[in-house]
Amino acid sequence: EAGVAQSPRYKIIEKRQSVAFWCNPISGHATLYWYQQILGQGPKLLIQFQNNGVVDDSQLPKDRFSAERLKGVDSTLKIQPAKLEDSAVYLCASSRTGTGEYEQYFGPGTRLTVT
Amino acid sequence: AQSVSQHNHHVILSEAASLELGCNYSYGGTVNLFWYVQYPGQHLQLLLKYFSGDPLVKGIKGFEAEFIKSKFSFNLRKPSVQWSDTAEYFCAVNARNQGGKLIFGQGTELSVKP
Repeated sequence: EAGVAQSPRYKIIEKRQSVAFWCNPISGHATLYWYQQILGQGPKLLIQFQNNGVVDDSQLPKDRFSAERLKGVDSTLKIQPAKLEDSAVYLCASSRTGTGEYEQYFGPGTRLTVT
Repeated sequence: AQSVSQHNHHVILSEAASLELGCNYSYGGTVNLFWYVQYPGQHLQLLLKYFSGDPLVKGIKGFEAEFIKSKFSFNLRKPSVQWSDTAEYFCAVNARNQGGKLIFGQGTELSVKP
């Protein structure tokens, strides 16, 4: 089966600019996750969707980050305005359902550099 | 707050050496435990997982991990590493009452010398 797709793979922007990332999960997977991985750290969950509803966005900096999953399939994550500390790899993952027993499949990530 | 700690940031081994990567977590409830691996230039992929039952779980490529509940540990082992095991390894914990959310450790970079 096709894996999780993400684009772009790399993005360089200046601080205060905006940026958007796109994710297409594995077909049939109801749950979609966005993680932020800062260099030297493990991934940190930003937001979890179940179909097109938000399950957990407790660690999403809502003053600058937003995410949506229209029609319960693709998802976009936006940062506006970006700060230097947003430089990271943004990972999208999907799973069949939102319980921990189901494996999360990760995409290749988008590497964001904010200058 | 839940946290996951991996003992080693960077491990260097020669081929055929034995491997053990430490992982400890802090959470008092029931957990699911995972090890993920990221080979150079590739995305994160599942190595093995523990949900219940036998605390010794076996994964792909000869890896195994042992869950010791009393020590809140889930250490990863392999009796004989190969050059192709060079990768970054992440331990992750899911608290069963918190949906699918994974809490990751900071990762251990393994370099295997041929």
